[in-house]
Amino acid sequence: AQSVTQLDSQVPVFEEAPVELRCNYSSSVSVYLFWYVQYPNQGLQLLLKYLSGSTLVESINGFEAEFNKSQTSFHLRKPSVHISDTAEYFCAVSALGGSQGNLIFGKGTKLSVKP
Amino acid sequence: KAGVTQTPRYLIKTRGQQVTLSCSPISGHRSVSWYQQTPGQGLQFLFEYFSETQRNKGNFPGRFSGRQFSNSRSEMNVSTLELGDSALYLCASSSGRGQGARNIQYFGAGTRLSVL
Repeated sequence: AQSVTQLDSQVPVFEEAPVELRCNYSSSVSVYLFWYVQYPNQGLQLLLKYLSGSTLVESINGFEAEFNKSQTSFHLRKPSVHISDTAEYFCAVSALGGSQGNLIFGKGTKLSVKP
Repeated sequence: KAGVTQTPRYLIKTRGQQVTLSCSPISGHRSVSWYQQTPGQGLQFLFEYFSETQRNKGNFPGRFSGRQFSNSRSEMNVSTLELGDSALYLCASSSGRGQGARNIQYFGAGTRLSVL
């Protein structure tokens, strides 16, 4: 079985400051890793994913995450945030080799960007 | 390509009633998964359907059921509604076959169910 821990439920930050949202996972098998973002009253949007290959993955809007197998982490970072980044961010895993229709989510981190 | 479509967006029901939610996946996707999102429990997996068959199931009571049609559209039904069933219900679709990028899940906007 897999589990995901997002260590911070809320992260307030000022505009243009850097931010890191932490995610740790537990699994007895290899996993795929995802970050999803949810804006108010909307569904989940895929932000970025780690499937294989380079451990550093990037999104088109400046976010990046690094897969660290030894620390079982997949932290999300952005060097300079904007007001529009205010949203809730979810880290998720799915097991390799399974049906993959079952994503295991963390509890989410609410990022609040202040002017 | 159209995204995942969920209808209706909002529902208000009373305890004891039953409700049916609908999900139309991205064209060509054959897997549909359902999730329940609440402030207390977060996002929890309900079940997954692939080619009209339930392939995976989460830890929810039998009052929660689903089905998938030959065109991959899926419905979720909740019978004998309880106050605790108030939640955002999210549907996600993926190709359902193979590994990796082919199985990335894309989510709809959700159906907000309020049970009074």
